[in-house]
Amino acid sequence: EAQVTQNPRYLITVTGKKLTVTCSQNMNHEYMSWYRQDPGLGLRQIYYSMNVEVTDKGDVPEGYKVSRKEKRNFPLILESPSPNQTSLYFCASSEPGQTFGGYTFGSGTRLTVV
Amino acid sequence: KQEVTQIPAALSVPEGENLVLNCSFTDSAIYNLQWFRQDPGKGLTSLLLIQSSQREQTSGRLNASLDKSSGRSTLYIAASQPGDSATYLCAVRLVTQGGSEKLVFGKGTKLTVNP
Repeated sequence: EAQVTQNPRYLITVTGKKLTVTCSQNMNHEYMSWYRQDPGLGLRQIYYSMNVEVTDKGDVPEGYKVSRKEKRNFPLILESPSPNQTSLYFCASSEPGQTFGGYTFGSGTRLTVV
Repeated sequence: KQEVTQIPAALSVPEGENLVLNCSFTDSAIYNLQWFRQDPGKGLTSLLLIQSSQREQTSGRLNASLDKSSGRSTLYIAASQPGDSATYLCAVRLVTQGGSEKLVFGKGTKLTVNP
């Protein structure tokens, strides 16, 4: 089954404790992105990758890091989480826009930072 | 800067009614527009994808239209059912000034279909 898999689904952590949210896709997509969803603000792009070793900042990249060492994986790293990073996070993948691709989203990771 | 607006923010209808959800965007330079469904606390399920060169797409009881020149899209749901209750999001895909791509989302329409 074609899918984007995120782990964990739920995570509660303390301020300052480094964490990684994993994302993997099995569709051989070139493009992968991370979004966060907050009440009243909607979905906003955090980081974006067009291919292996190619990443770019989105609208809200502060406090996050990403890496794209393999085509299928795109982990999101919070080096020193803070309470304002409490949110619902989504990973997504797609073929390039020129090939008329649509995005496939993962099931989400609900992160709480206390 | 691309902005996507969805009206109404919430909609409540009786079962069986046909309904229309609206999405507008400010910049017509888009690759495509995608409609998603989101159940509470869950992920996004893609419903329909309309390319910038297309006018509409259909899937079952759903029909989405796109008028790129006026910056508008509609999602038509026929014969609504209680299982259609969810938040519906539209998103436009575009290339940023820096050459990367992103989806810009509206804030969604929360639909409730009453039995």
